[in-house]
Amino acid sequence: EAEVAQSPRYKITEKSQAVAFWCDPISGHATLYWYRQILGQGPELLVQFQDESVVDDSQLPKDRFSAERLKGVDSTLKIQPAELGDSAMYLCASSRTDHNEKLFFGSGTQLSVL
Amino acid sequence: AQRVTQPEKLLSVFKGAPVELKCNYSYSGSPELFWYVQYSRQRLQLLLRHISRESIKGFTADLNKGETSFHLKKPFAQEEDSAMYYCALSRAYNTDKLIFGTGTRLQVFP
Repeated sequence: EAEVAQSPRYKITEKSQAVAFWCDPISGHATLYWYRQILGQGPELLVQFQDESVVDDSQLPKDRFSAERLKGVDSTLKIQPAELGDSAMYLCASSRTDHNEKLFFGSGTQLSVL
Repeated sequence: AQRVTQPEKLLSVFKGAPVELKCNYSYSGSPELFWYVQYSRQRLQLLLRHISRESIKGFTADLNKGETSFHLKKPFAQEEDSAMYYCALSRAYNTDKLIFGTGTRLQVFP
């Protein structure tokens, strides 16, 4: 069964450094999501793409976070500069359409900012 | 604003006992409700959605608009049901994001 791929699995960085996460959705899935999950909380949407276009980035801290999906396939989420409060699990998910279709999640990237 | 509340962080039961994981939501419109599950060392995955009206792994959930609830139930818990369960909401008929609750960890003891 096809899966959403994410890398790296773990990332440790110092505050003020730049970090980047990569996500490759299931082939043919037009919608891609980046969620952040802080320990003890549920996932919170950071950004949603429909093909290469941003549909929702209302919760993305745009002063330090950026996301792109240039060719409408894989995506990169960047943080610059990282802050201590950014320590969390970053989850990528994809779905066939943007109309509440079933979301398939990746394994996530666990970020620790020291 | 939409919100999902899961009042229990941890629910512990013995094998064979009934299980009910509570989920309440706040949304004035017409919602779509989901239950996602994460087993140990596995990815977050969809368990069921209310519009499907189906039973998955013996679990069912009924949307009660009057009580704004979507509780997950299973009559006889199994050890393999031990996992983290998240209730989630999105606005129906809309290209909207999923809003997750904080999750309930279910522990089923032998």
